[in-house]
Amino acid sequence: AQKVTQAQTEISVVEKEDVTLDCVYETRDTTYYLFWYKQPPSGELVFLIRRNSFDEQNEISGRYSWNFQKSTSSFNFTITASQVVDSAVYFCALSANTGNQFYFGTGTSLTVIP
Amino acid sequence: EPEVTQTPSHQVTQMGQEVILRCVPISNHLYFYWYRQILGQKVEFLVSFYNNEISEKSEIFDDQFSVERPDGSNFTLKIRSTKLEDSAMYFCASRRGPPNTGELFFGEGSRLTVL
Repeated sequence: AQKVTQAQTEISVVEKEDVTLDCVYETRDTTYYLFWYKQPPSGELVFLIRRNSFDEQNEISGRYSWNFQKSTSSFNFTITASQVVDSAVYFCALSANTGNQFYFGTGTSLTVIP
Repeated sequence: EPEVTQTPSHQVTQMGQEVILRCVPISNHLYFYWYRQILGQKVEFLVSFYNNEISEKSEIFDDQFSVERPDGSNFTLKIRSTKLEDSAMYFCASRRGPPNTGELFFGEGSRLTVL
């Protein structure tokens, strides 16, 4: 069975602070894909990053970085120097090679206080 | 940049009424999906569609739900007799290829309110 756990339901930080959003996943597939999506207050789902299970290299994109560790089944997301516009709900998701669907975590609501 | 478009953005309906939510996936995509998000909760899979048939569906997708690709561009979700608990944001998504080929592109969602 596939499962994604985001233990942090809500986080508040002051602008310019760094913040890490945790994601832990479960799958029996050896090939799988991990994603982060952002859902701003307007409601749409915005793709941020995709990672496949064979690529454990961390990635940095501007103020965003992702730490993928297969040993702990985690795919954490860090925002450095947070800004008010980062306020949103962030979803981690898993897609396995078997089956067709994405499995979403319950989301972490991030509030950046000016 | 190509995008998935959904209509209507918001629909209010009475319990027991039929609702059709429409989606236009990205033109060269072959895999289509509907997801649902009850307010404040996680995004839940409803159904996936490929090659003009349902490829997978969740337990939420019962006989009240149906999907159709009536022409080469639209992908619709029909709820035959809406219930209060169908109130949610419904997201359409599409992907170019099978699961290992990339991310899902989501539409902006259709908010359904059942009174």
